[in-house]
Amino acid sequence: KAGVTQTPRYLIKTRGQQVTLSCSPISGHRSVSWYQQTPGQGLQFLFEYFSETQRNKGNFPGRFSGRQFSNSRSEMNVSTLELGDSALYLCASSPFDSGNTIYFGEGSWLTVV
Amino acid sequence: TQLLEQSPQFLSIQEGENLTVYCNSSSVFSSLQWYRQEPGEGPVLLVTVVTGGEVKKLKRLTFQFGDARKDSSLHITAAQPGDTGLYLCAGRANFGNEKLTFGTGTRLTIIP
Repeated sequence: KAGVTQTPRYLIKTRGQQVTLSCSPISGHRSVSWYQQTPGQGLQFLFEYFSETQRNKGNFPGRFSGRQFSNSRSEMNVSTLELGDSALYLCASSPFDSGNTIYFGEGSWLTVV
Repeated sequence: TQLLEQSPQFLSIQEGENLTVYCNSSSVFSSLQWYRQEPGEGPVLLVTVVTGGEVKKLKRLTFQFGDARKDSSLHITAAQPGDTGLYLCAGRANFGNEKLTFGTGTRLTIIP
């Protein structure tokens, strides 16, 4: 069974640009969550989706948004990029709504210059 | 306020030694998970503990969930260089539809 797939793996953007990251969950998993990981803040929760509905949202500004499609694939978007948005963005999937056991992808490394 | 506090934050020990890392909270969790993350990779699930007082063993790793479901520990026996990594605990508080929260992490380095 394929794991969680995130694309792209690495990207460099300029301040003010926007970026879209994609996540394909494990087959059969309907829950997808997103996290931002930085050395200073650790793993911070962004949002969680189940069956195309946002279930939870973290404490991030409105520049961060996400969505989930009917095939459970998910995207997150960050608009008006700032230098502080440079981070590893991790997607995880679970077969259950608000599942406690989640499985992570390898992440998308975003560098904002 | 960090819901899950891990200690120590950094730990560097010699190969063959034993160690324990802790995950503490003032909140009650329905379950706690432990993950290990290696550089450049996403966290990998090691174990889920569900029942208060539960002990689970994974080869040289022993995980314990506190009786009150507020804390957990990870003990590694005879540490090996392959154990090096960032160890994270995670859980959802209050049994409700809360977000899954991750601990502050323990960065472990095993010196050959």
